[in-house]
Amino acid sequence: SQQGEEDPQALSIQEGENATMNCSYKTSINNLQWYRQNSGRGLVHLILIRSNEREKHSGRLRVTLDTSKKSSSLLITASRAADTASYFCATDLPGGGADGLTFGKGTHLIIQP
Amino acid sequence: GAGVSQSPSNKVTEKGKDVELRCDPISGHTALYWYRQSLGQGLEFLIYFQGNSAPDKSGLPSDRFSAERTGGSVSTLTIQRTQQEDSAVYLCASSQGRLRGAQYFGPGTRLLVL
Repeated sequence: SQQGEEDPQALSIQEGENATMNCSYKTSINNLQWYRQNSGRGLVHLILIRSNEREKHSGRLRVTLDTSKKSSSLLITASRAADTASYFCATDLPGGGADGLTFGKGTHLIIQP
Repeated sequence: GAGVSQSPSNKVTEKGKDVELRCDPISGHTALYWYRQSLGQGLEFLIYFQGNSAPDKSGLPSDRFSAERTGGSVSTLTIQRTQQEDSAVYLCASSQGRLRGAQYFGPGTRLLVL
């Protein structure tokens, strides 16, 4: 089955800097979602971008989607210590099939104070 | 309102024992998903329920795994004859159904098989 792949696997930046994470996938999608996970427990939905959208904003988050390159990026501006977490992209296949979301292995983001 | 809840939070069991994991989805959410996450890995999809329809079980890793959803709400994931490789965090999520939108996750059950 297809899988999203995040890049980089780990990222460490100083507080206040911007953090950019990338996601690549293999086949057509209905939408792509980004999630955050703290301490290996429940995931929190951050933002959803549909296949016919190219960019979306939510607070300090900016997501782009390039369906021709099958890639997406998540930008967190003015990072804070509380942004330290793992970030996952998840792809939703078209057709409403019962496959759930397909997650990548995540980018572990560390914000240095 | 209340989010997705899961119980127990942690479960330690001996190899060969059966375990039951419970998920209470957000009220009104018709879709319910089970995922498994091994240490340092992404999520592996296990099974999906939509309302009272029969679930798609194709993601279950073996016939030792089964799940049911009673009355279109609470779900139970059962693992029979547990093996050490079953050790993982089991996450449940719910969503508003066929809209294919955001999924809302519970805190997970951390299962350790000794």
